Amino acid sequence: EIVMTQSPATLSVSPGERATLSCRASQSVSSNLAWYQQKPGQAPRLLIYGASTRATGIPARFSGSGSGTEFTLTISSLQSEDFAVYYCQQYNNWPPVTFGQGTKVEIK
Amino acid sequence: QVQLVQSGSELKKPGASVKVSCKASGYTFTSYAMNWVRQAPGQGLEWMGWINTNTGNPTYAQGFTGRFVFSLDTSVSTAYLQISSLKAEDTAVYYCARGGYFDPFDYWGQGTLVTVSS
Repeated sequence: EIVMTQSPATLSVSPGERATLSCRASQSVSSNLAWYQQKPGQAPRLLIYGASTRATGIPARFSGSGSGTEFTLTISSLQSEDFAVYYCQQYNNWPPVTFGQGTKVEIK
Repeated sequence: QVQLVQSGSELKKPGASVKVSCKASGYTFTSYAMNWVRQAPGQGLEWMGWINTNTGNPTYAQGFTGRFVFSLDTSVSTAYLQISSLKAEDTAVYYCARGGYFDPFDYWGQGTLVTVSS
């Protein structure tokens, strides 16, 4: 099973600032890596797939990079609606699909 | 537009069973696999497994064998999750999510809260 490790667990950022979230896989997942955003009481929403492709309707301030075992989600200028929990997921080697434990982006 | 609509919240006693439904619309149901994901209170996302909507063949993740059953009714484009012999630790929100091999989970149901309490 591939273990996905996200860092940091919590990120405190001021509105308008840049946020950088990391995700590491225990072995290569090629570019089969997705990022999801989850707000309280809501289902996760797909942001990025293929490590760097934005899903339909996702603003350009969200970008993803990386391949193999190291991945990054960058939010260029945080808006109020971006404060949420973010999960990475590998879908290269399954079963099982595996998620990271999440990074909470909170208002500084 | 693609939608996955799940059944409502459930309150069950330990030892009972529950069946959660996930009705798909806006796409050809049998063209995409369906996954089930659990989220315990205050915790992260845990993949429970998936069901091939063409063949009806389910695959269960470790820890979700025995008491968990995935099924389909393709005539109404609906996937089901049944959990038997419920325990307090089954209390969680259960999500269905569309996605298959080498595909992300692009659409999710709204989630169904299952609470197990005496």
